[in-house]
Amino acid sequence: QKEVEQDPGPLSVPEGAIVSLNCTYSNSAFQYFMWYRQYSRKGPELLMYTYSSGNKEDGRFTAQVDKSSKYISLFIRDSQPSDSATYLCAMSTGANNLFFGTGTRLTVIP
Amino acid sequence: EPEVTQTPSHQVTQMGQEVILRCVPISNHLYFYWYRQILGQKVEFLVSFYNNEISEKSEIFDDQFSVERPDGSNFTLKIRSTKLEDSAMYFCASSALTSLHFGNGTRLTVT
Repeated sequence: QKEVEQDPGPLSVPEGAIVSLNCTYSNSAFQYFMWYRQYSRKGPELLMYTYSSGNKEDGRFTAQVDKSSKYISLFIRDSQPSDSATYLCAMSTGANNLFFGTGTRLTVIP
Repeated sequence: EPEVTQTPSHQVTQMGQEVILRCVPISNHLYFYWYRQILGQKVEFLVSFYNNEISEKSEIFDDQFSVERPDGSNFTLKIRSTKLEDSAMYFCASSALTSLHFGNGTRLTVT
């Protein structure tokens, strides 16, 4: 069952570009939405956490949730080579069982 | 910053053998989890643990798997009789409420 869909990329952008990463989902019961960053050979690192619909900003990162469209996004402004990683969306109903997307591999070229 | 630590980083075992993967969650967290990621696939939920018992488990978490919190700091995942398809990265995570923090994983290779 494909609960969460995410374009696996890979995505390559020049340094300084705005990056847009997206996920769609099918389960309308999802209430908690997260973005994780995963570097090679490391565990997922929590970047952004959002409850229900709306926007959340943290530095160069903005997370958006549109529950009516079952669509979430992560924007990275002024992308840096250190942002090169795999970005995973994840979501849950409130229980702590997270459903992950496949991850999008991002490369920021200096 | 406190972190979740996992040992070993890589475990190689023969099919049919038992393995124990170990985790030290963040000290003030109350919820503990195991997830796995088969190469090239999604991170998948295995089990959650709260108040010294399993609170939720997935279909993957069959009778071959068990979890234990043997003392106040460690959290373990045991696979009784490993199969080739158990080869994956196994991630431990912990949370205070809803934000999960992951360790760097144990790569399990079953030959």
